[in-house]
Amino acid sequence: EDQVTQSPEALRLQEGESSSLNCSYTVSGLRGLFWYRQDPGKGPEFLFTLYSAGEEKEKERLKATLTKKESFLHITAPKPEDSATYLCAVAQGETSGSRLTFGEGTQLTVNP
Amino acid sequence: DTGVSQNPRHKITKRGQNVTFRCDPISEHNRLYWYRQTLGQGPEFLTYFQNEAQLEKSRLLSDRFSAERPKGSFSTLEIQRTEQGDSAMYLCASSPRFRYHQETQYFGPGTRLLVL
Repeated sequence: EDQVTQSPEALRLQEGESSSLNCSYTVSGLRGLFWYRQDPGKGPEFLFTLYSAGEEKEKERLKATLTKKESFLHITAPKPEDSATYLCAVAQGETSGSRLTFGEGTQLTVNP
Repeated sequence: DTGVSQNPRHKITKRGQNVTFRCDPISEHNRLYWYRQTLGQGPEFLTYFQNEAQLEKSRLLSDRFSAERPKGSFSTLEIQRTEQGDSAMYLCASSPRFRYHQETQYFGPGTRLLVL
C-alpha cells in the first residue's frame, strides 16, 4: 500500500534560520509528487509538482527536490509569513487523474 | 476569482440529519475530487469524477455518502444520517487533463462540518 511519511511533525525556526522538511514515500510507479501549503482553516495551496528523481523546483524562499525514495522542501531564510502546515502528496493509480495520498504534514512556525 | 469554490464554508448539524455540500471547480477543469480532512491529518481521498462520470470511490465513502456531478460542472456531496464521526473539513479539488503527466489538483477553501 502506498505510504507517505513526513518529518518532523512540527518545526520551530527563528526568522532567517534555514532548514529542510522531509517527505518519504513508498509507491509503486510514482506519477508525481506534490507539495502544498495549508494555513489554518483553509484549503491546501499548491506549491510544486515533481515528476522524476533529480528534479528540482524553486519559488521564492522554497526549493523542492526529489529522489527515488524521498523529497525535501528546503526553506531558505524563512520569514514569519512562511508559518503554515506543509503537506506532501503522491499521485497514486494506474492512470493520470487519480487520487492523491497525503502525508500528515509538517507544522512550521517561524518566530520573528 | 477563478479558483475552486465551495459552499457552505461552515455547517453545524445535529446527528441524524442530512447535509449537502457544493463544489464549483475551476472553469474548464474536467476532473473533480472530494477529500476529507480531520484535525492534524492530511486530506484523505473520497471520490473522483471525470466530467460527469464517477470513476473512483474510496472505502471511506460509506453508503451514507453520495456524490454527483450531473452536468460535468459543479458537484455535490451528500451525507445522510450524519454521525459525530463525520465531523471534518470536506475539501474539493479540480484539475485539467494533461496527456502524459499527473495533473496538479487545485483545492477549494473547504466546508467545515460539525455534527453535534
